[in-house]
Amino acid sequence: GDSVTQMEGPVTLSEEAFLTINCTYTATGYPSLFWYVQYPGEGLQLLLKATKADDKGSNKGFEATYRKETTSFHLEKGSVQVSDSAVYFCALGDNQGGKLIFGQGTELSVKP
Amino acid sequence: GAGVSQSPSNKVTEKGKDVELRCDPISGHTALYWYRQSLGQGLEFLIYFQGNSAPDKSGLPSDRFSAERTGGSVSTLTIQRTQQEDSAVYLCASSLGTWDRQYQETQYFGPGTRLLVL
Repeated sequence: GDSVTQMEGPVTLSEEAFLTINCTYTATGYPSLFWYVQYPGEGLQLLLKATKADDKGSNKGFEATYRKETTSFHLEKGSVQVSDSAVYFCALGDNQGGKLIFGQGTELSVKP
Repeated sequence: GAGVSQSPSNKVTEKGKDVELRCDPISGHTALYWYRQSLGQGLEFLIYFQGNSAPDKSGLPSDRFSAERTGGSVSTLTIQRTQQEDSAVYLCASSLGTWDRQYQETQYFGPGTRLLVL
């Protein structure tokens, strides 16, 4: 079945460092891909998404490009801030009804 | 406007008891999803509603789990004879439900119900 694998955390970075969180997927067909973020004490919220190959999703300085050839959707940010500390989830959207299949989550901690 | 709300926010119960978890989706959203977030299993899909019908129940882990949706709005997830392994955060999400294969809608998540089975 469909699945998502993302790099394990926790990831600890200094403020202004470059961030990459790897995400790869296995799916039949061409699912939509998402990054959701869960800030401490808050619910899951959509960070960005891409619906087809070579699409780039972006929001709040974060970017991810849908790469069909490598079945990847890596999350990047050029300069992280302390406020980016959160758990990040990569997910794919099932084409049969829209349910989301999530990766394990990657905890990011940014130190000043 | 109001987001997805869930109640209760926390629930502690004894093994073997039944529990009901409630979800109020965003007004006008016809699609509603239940997920479970636990330490061992991560975030798992449970069930999907389109209107009042559930075309995908594939994620329900056992027949102790059931869900219903009435009036195309509120949904209740019921767990009968709770077990300790049911302890998790139960998340509800909703989306517009204008399903199109070419376009994946955004799902908006509620804050969750944290269930602890003693």
